[in-house]
Amino acid sequence: GENVEQHPSTLSVQEGDSAVIKCTYSDSASNYFPWYKQELGKRPQLIIDIRSNVGEKKDQRIAVTLNKTAKHFSLHITETQPEDSAVYFCAARGGGRAQKLVFGQGTRLTINP
Amino acid sequence: GAVVSQHPSRVICKSGTSVKIECRSLDFQATTMFWYRQFPKQSLMLMATSNEGSKATYEQGVEKDKFLINHASLTLSTLTVTSAHPEDSSFYICSAYGQGLPNSYEQYFGPGTRLTVT
Repeated sequence: GENVEQHPSTLSVQEGDSAVIKCTYSDSASNYFPWYKQELGKRPQLIIDIRSNVGEKKDQRIAVTLNKTAKHFSLHITETQPEDSAVYFCAARGGGRAQKLVFGQGTRLTINP
Repeated sequence: GAVVSQHPSRVICKSGTSVKIECRSLDFQATTMFWYRQFPKQSLMLMATSNEGSKATYEQGVEKDKFLINHASLTLSTLTVTSAHPEDSSFYICSAYGQGLPNSYEQYFGPGTRLTVT
């Protein structure tokens, strides 16, 4: 089955700097890669997603890149703000009918003012 | 649109008792629902996939007789934790795919249920 690895587990950046979180996946048939932001005690919130037929997607300060050959995808947050502090999860939807998501281990991002 | 609710948001029960958690899609029909468990400072771990009108598919290592899942309608799935023990204390989150939504790939998550077993 699908396996998703996420790095780093913690990331601390100065306000205004950029943050990059990376994930790798194992199932070459995976076709959907969402990124979630989760605050303590709350549901995961979809912040950006990308499908396997696209290499890059951007939404204001957030971008995601996908390299299908290498089977890795990355989240880029520019001009970071204190409210970006949270835990971020990547996920991959494996091939097949199950449509289930496999999550990475999570990255705790801290933005220092 | 695409709102998923869960009830209760928090529950405390005694060891050995059972507790039921409801997951509802409020404004769409959920053909598939998923149940996750999240321990503190850990990731979401899929427990089972639930399709309306059929038996749930459980992930490896998840006891189907302990975690009973029912998906009786296109808007409701329930998770019953039977004979709960302190190690079952966790944050349980459901999600759903829906028909006719703008993003057919997106899973919509419920707000989660914090279960504490004493």
